[in-house]
Order: sequence, then C-alpha cells, then structure tokens
Amino acid sequence: KQEVTQIPAALSVPEGENLVLNCSFTDSAIYNLQWFRQDPGKGLTSLLLIQSSQREQTSGRLNASLDKSSGRSTLYIAASQPGDSATYLCAVLPSGANNLFFGTGTRLTVIP
Amino acid sequence: EPEVTQTPSHQVTQMGQEVILRCVPISNHLYFYWYRQILGQKVEFLVSFYNNEISEKSEIFDDQFSVERPDGSNFTLKIRSTKLEDSAMYFCASSQQGITGELFFGEGSRLTVL
Repeated sequence: KQEVTQIPAALSVPEGENLVLNCSFTDSAIYNLQWFRQDPGKGLTSLLLIQSSQREQTSGRLNASLDKSSGRSTLYIAASQPGDSATYLCAVLPSGANNLFFGTGTRLTVIP
Repeated sequence: EPEVTQTPSHQVTQMGQEVILRCVPISNHLYFYWYRQILGQKVEFLVSFYNNEISEKSEIFDDQFSVERPDGSNFTLKIRSTKLEDSAMYFCASSQQGITGELFFGEGSRLTVL
C-alpha cells in the first residue's frame, strides 16, 4: 500500500525567504502527484499537478519537482509571503488506482 | 471561477442519527468523490462516483454510508446511525477527466457526533 510522508510537519520562516517542502512516497509506480494548499478549517486548493512523465511544474512563485525513481517530490516556494501560511499537502495517484493517497501535510507559517 | 460547494459547513448530531451531506460539483464535471479528514489525520478516500454509480469505494465506506446523485446538480453522502468516530471533515471533489486529472475540492462539511 502506498504511504506518503511529508517532512517537516511544521515550518516557520521569515517573510521573503525561499523554502522547500518535501514529500516522499513508498511505491514509485505512480500516475501523478498533486500538491494542495489547505487553510485552517477550509477545503483543499489544488496548486500543481505533475504527471509521472514530468520532472517539474511551475505556477508563479511555486515550483514542484518530481523524482519518481527515488519516490520524492519537492515544492519550492520563492520569496515567501505571510499569505502563504497554510498547510501544504501532497497526494499521490498510484498507477492503476482510482484514489489519491495523501500525506499528513506541512504546516507553514511565514512571519512578517 | 467555478467551484465545488458543500452544505452544511458544520453539522452537529447525536450518535445514532442519520446525516446527509450535500455537494454541488462543478457543472461540467462528471467524476465525483468523497474524502474525509479526521482531526489531525490524513485525508482519506471514501468513494468515487461516475455515470450514476459507484466506481470505487474504500474499506471505510461500509453499509453505513451511501451516495446518491438525486438530480443533475447535487451529489450527496448519507451516513446512517452515526458513531462518535464519524466525526470528521468531509470533502467533496469533482473532476472533468477523472482521477488522472486535477481534482477540485469543496470547502468541506464538518461533522461532529456527540
């Protein structure tokens, strides 16, 4: 069964800093990987979707990379802002599966 | 921008009661999902729905649960005889392409079972 882990569980950085969030998964046979943002008590907002054939995806200040063979993905946030404070979740779609497997998330706090 | 909407945002119920959580998926989406998140735990898959029938369900989705698309816009999750451990945030999601495409989630319905 696919297991998804995110480290660190929480991260606090000063505004303006560049940061990296990590996601690892146990089975490299995946179809895609998706990064979500979750604000407290709110739903999940899709940030980036990377197909297994891709190495990275970019959207604004966000860049997600995927190393399928090593079972890792990173979410890079450039020039962090207080509005980036949220929990970031990664979710993996295993090959042949019909549901996503989520990590426990990294709670990010950007200090003004 | 189109969005998935869920009602109620919060429901408190007594153990043993039935609850219905409602979702309005994005209008041109054909694939619908329910996930849940118990406080402090991972988001977990419950069920997927396509073409008016369940396409996949998890171990969690036992006879206590059912889903329905009663009309062209709503997608509901019914939980019968609620238990304390059913307390969670329930998320509805929809997709145009199915699970291989991008999923769009609603804001969630928080269920508290007393």
